[in-house]
Amino acid sequence: AQRVTQPEKLLSVFKGAPVELKCNYSYSGSPELFWYVQYSRQRLQLLLRHISRESIKGFTADLNKGETSFHLKKPFAQEEDSAMYYCALSYTGRRALTFGSGTRLQVQP
Amino acid sequence: DVKVTQSSRYLVKRTGEKVFLECVQDMDHENMFWYRQDPGLGLRLIYFSYDVKMKEKGDIPEGYSVSREKKERFSLILESASTNQTSMYLCASSFPGFQNTEAFFGQGTRLTVV
Repeated sequence: AQRVTQPEKLLSVFKGAPVELKCNYSYSGSPELFWYVQYSRQRLQLLLRHISRESIKGFTADLNKGETSFHLKKPFAQEEDSAMYYCALSYTGRRALTFGSGTRLQVQP
Repeated sequence: DVKVTQSSRYLVKRTGEKVFLECVQDMDHENMFWYRQDPGLGLRLIYFSYDVKMKEKGDIPEGYSVSREKKERFSLILESASTNQTSMYLCASSFPGFQNTEAFFGQGTRLTVV
């Protein structure tokens, strides 16, 4: 069965420091990977998706099929990046997303 | 702007009560989902529906049922609420097709069973 692992429950960095939120997955086929974000008192929303290969709010994520990873990176963290981040996976024939356990990013001033 | 609206932000129910959580979306999405969100466990899929009157079990369906009589509305039912069902419940909707599947979420219902 497919699985998404986010090994860090909490990641605390200082403003301006680089950020890397880790995500590993297990799935034998070709998955589609996503990052969702939940800011304080807001609803969960899509941050970026692998297929778009885009940078959103300075964040990027590269799918590494060899390492089965989809880590989220930002070179310089901002205080407004503080939020809960979830990695999610889907694939052909699967209508729903499978989520990881989430990582809380805390950016300190 | 996609709107997914859950009928209650907070609910407190007694053990053994039948509980209904309602969700409405206004984007004509075929897919609708119910997840529960727990610290350290992330989001876990309870049930989803890909069409009116169609439903499939997710990863943790025990103790829950769902109803989808109209395309825009998806209800989660706790047949006999128990304390271990105290959680945040999130409804979501999306168009079909996994490659462009962006799920749009409601604001959540925090359910406490006492």
